Amino acid sequence: GDSVTQMEGPVTLSEEAFLTINCTYTATGYPSLFWYVQYPGEGLQLLLKATKADDKGSNKGFEATYRKETTSFHLEKGSVQVSDSAVYFCALSDDKAAGNKLTFGGGTRVLVKP
Amino acid sequence: DTGVSQDPRHKITKRGQNVTFRCDPISEHNRLYWYRQTLGQGPEFLTYFQNEAQLEKSRLLSDRFSAERPKGSFSTLEIQRTEQGDSAMYLCASSRAVVLETQYFGPGTRLLVL
Repeated sequence: GDSVTQMEGPVTLSEEAFLTINCTYTATGYPSLFWYVQYPGEGLQLLLKATKADDKGSNKGFEATYRKETTSFHLEKGSVQVSDSAVYFCALSDDKAAGNKLTFGGGTRVLVKP
Repeated sequence: DTGVSQDPRHKITKRGQNVTFRCDPISEHNRLYWYRQTLGQGPEFLTYFQNEAQLEKSRLLSDRFSAERPKGSFSTLEIQRTEQGDSAMYLCASSRAVVLETQYFGPGTRLLVL
């Protein structure tokens, strides 16, 4: 079946540091890939997505590139802010899965210190 | 703001009691999803509806769980004879019935079974 594996946290960084969160996946079909973010006390929000190989999703300074050859979708940001402190979830939606249901990784908590 | 709403936001119940949660999707969305998120984990798919039809149920959804979407608008998720293992955040999401369309999540209902 489908699965998503992402690096465990927590990840603690200083402001303006470079952030990378690794994500790898296995899928039966041809998936679309997503990063969702959960800020403290809030619901899940879509951060970015990519629907085919070599696509780059980007939003709010975050980027992730769909790498089919390595089955990866790593999230990066060049200079983090305190406001980026949140839990980040990598997810996939398999085109073979009914209803485009999402399969999530376990989440990575990021804490950015001033 | 006409995002996905869920009610209640928090529920504390005693083991063996029945609970019901409600989800109101974004009005033009005809797909509605339920996920469950336990502490420190990513969300796991439970079930989804397209209009009023329930099209898939996860093996996680035991016979104590039932979901309905009677008029293709709001949905309810009922848990009968709750157990301590049911304690979790129950998330609702909605989307249009378009291939790989983005799912938008509600704030969740946090259930604690004592």
